[in-house]
Amino acid sequence: DTEVTQTPKHLVMGMTNKKSLKCEQHMGHRAMYWYKQKAKKPPELMFVYSYEKLSINESVPSRFSPECPNSSLLNLHLHALQPEDSALYLCASSQVGTGGMNTEAFFGQGTRLTVV
Amino acid sequence: AQSVTQLGSHVSVSEGALVLLRCNYSSSVPPYLFWYVQYPNQGLQLLLKYTSAATLVKGINGFEAEFKKSETSFHLTKPSAHMSDAAEYFCAVSKGANAGKSTFGDGTTLTVKP
Repeated sequence: DTEVTQTPKHLVMGMTNKKSLKCEQHMGHRAMYWYKQKAKKPPELMFVYSYEKLSINESVPSRFSPECPNSSLLNLHLHALQPEDSALYLCASSQVGTGGMNTEAFFGQGTRLTVV
Repeated sequence: AQSVTQLGSHVSVSEGALVLLRCNYSSSVPPYLFWYVQYPNQGLQLLLKYTSAATLVKGINGFEAEFKKSETSFHLTKPSAHMSDAAEYFCAVSKGANAGKSTFGDGTTLTVKP
């Protein structure tokens, strides 16, 4: 199984709502990532988890709150978002620190988020 | 800091023609380099990766790329374009240990004309 599964595929939320994005992988990867991708732009790294601990926060606003409850799951909790937060949110996973031929990140299909 | 530059935001080729998508990197250490493809409203799919094992890297769907240290380049090629190759292509460089901690180029949109 080389899949990273993201749910939901589409999400529309109001600026006062609270919602969560979910990401799951069963490849035994101990590094997981959240990326944000605006239309016609490259993905931008938001958060990195390594061994279920947050290792990198790329200065993301606090209205985005990541959570890694176990080695297979990664959540992104959303609260009080702005319309400019509308984007495709991508989850990825990889092995940690192996380098060499095993260096590869697997991406999910993304969640298309629209904030109204 | 590591970065990649993709030359040409749009490339158009005829079906059956050579595909050449350009990527130049900047890195103070030997880089890990990747090419990804993204179809509309989809995630990213890895085409191929360079991890210093070989300078000519073969990937999926008939794509290959050659790492040229002297030119700091990692251009993506395919001998004969197919209509299904039309997509967005991203070159990326990884900061070593965490493969997913990549910096992406701005992307190149490939159009394939019949």
